[in-house]
Amino acid sequence: GQQVMQIPQYQHVQEGEDFTTYCNSSTTLSNIQWYKQRPGGHPVFLIQLVKSGEVKKQKRLTFQFGEAKKNSSLHITATQTTDVGTYFCAEGSSNTGKLIFGQGTTLQVKP
Amino acid sequence: DGGITQSPKYLFRKEGQNVTLSCEQNLNHDAMYWYRQDPGQGLRLIYYSQIVNDFQKGDIAEGYSVSREKKESFPLTVTSAQKNPTAFYLCASRANRNYGYTFGSGTRLTVV
Repeated sequence: GQQVMQIPQYQHVQEGEDFTTYCNSSTTLSNIQWYKQRPGGHPVFLIQLVKSGEVKKQKRLTFQFGEAKKNSSLHITATQTTDVGTYFCAEGSSNTGKLIFGQGTTLQVKP
Repeated sequence: DGGITQSPKYLFRKEGQNVTLSCEQNLNHDAMYWYRQDPGQGLRLIYYSQIVNDFQKGDIAEGYSVSREKKESFPLTVTSAQKNPTAFYLCASRANRNYGYTFGSGTRLTVV
């Protein structure tokens, strides 16, 4: 069935360093969504990518969808302590609307 | 403010008891979802409903049941048949496929 693999599982960075998490699939993805979950909180929707090769930016966050629509990445430039949390990618079903989530990447930022 | 309300935030139950988790939304969303989150395993889909009086099993439906009698409400019952019920349960809703999910704040269930 559908499965998205996300790496790395954990990442520790010094404040000001960059961070990237990757989401990979063996099959073509119809779309990909990204969520952020703060410690003790619930996931919050960040963005949805639909088109092949799509790149979207939100301030220091850059989201990419691969040309073959089999991978995606989230890049954070110059991390801040407010970026701490777990970042999930999720593949959306075009028929049912249900999402299949990756395992998540937990980001720790040292001040 | 519109949103999703899950209650209670923390729930403790004895082994062998059924328990029902509440999920209410005032966003006028048609689709609603229940996910379970365990440490290191991401979110796994339990049940989902795209319209009132209709719902489908997700990937881990065994030991759970749901109902969707009203658009606003999608309660989840964790039955005694669920072997490992202790987890963080998240309810979500969505306007349509062009939008992301809106999640509730979750219910942490502990079975002792």
